[in-house]
Amino acid sequence: QITLKESGPTLVKPTQTLTLTCTFSGFSLSTSGVGVGWIRQPPGKALEWLALIYWNDDKRYSPSLKSRLTITKDTSKNQVVLTMTNMDPVDTATYYCAHRRGVVVPAAAYFDYWGQGTLVTVSS
Amino acid sequence: DIQMTQSPSSVSASVGDRVTITCRASQGISSWLAWYQQKPGKAPKLLIYAASSLQSGVPSRFSGSGSGTDFTLTISSLQPEDFATYYCQQANSFLYTFGQGTKLEIK
Repeated sequence: QITLKESGPTLVKPTQTLTLTCTFSGFSLSTSGVGVGWIRQPPGKALEWLALIYWNDDKRYSPSLKSRLTITKDTSKNQVVLTMTNMDPVDTATYYCAHRRGVVVPAAAYFDYWGQGTLVTVSS
Repeated sequence: DIQMTQSPSSVSASVGDRVTITCRASQGISSWLAWYQQKPGKAPKLLIYAASSLQSGVPSRFSGSGSGTDFTLTISSLQPEDFATYYCQQANSFLYTFGQGTKLEIK
């Protein structure tokens, strides 16, 4: 059974750096083809993909946010960490981590298991 | 970037109705498309991947079709638990863009 859970601060100040941790079980990020992504959703708005890390440590980012994002993995702890620098009130959103469904083509990603999400508010 | 445009933005329907939601990509994406269902306060749920493949455990009343730039999600006979927001997602080229969502409401 695959589960994921996000953790991190619920409130950050503008200009601060956000660090979110995704702790998962039921799969290993050392298995070929496996990936974990981050997706966010501002209140009442659509989903936005942020980043994806693969079993081989390949990392992909949304072009619009690439300069602010870093995704890393700790295979031994079954964790993926996302950092986002220079937070702004427009970054207020629920942040989800999700498991990449096994797809032969590395460039493709469907997200079949999701965490419950964590709401991050950016305010002074 | 590839833009994904869904229509309509919202739709009202009754239990038992057949409903179709459309997603259009700004450029061809072959069959690299997914559909998700999201209920208020919950994480999205994968319904369809590769444009027409039903995710395990998803009822067969859900179906997807299309390729290239035009895709549809069809619910053949609406059930009370289907009232939610639906999102399409472009799934290739390391750029995973979502549509703006379609809210399915009870008439």
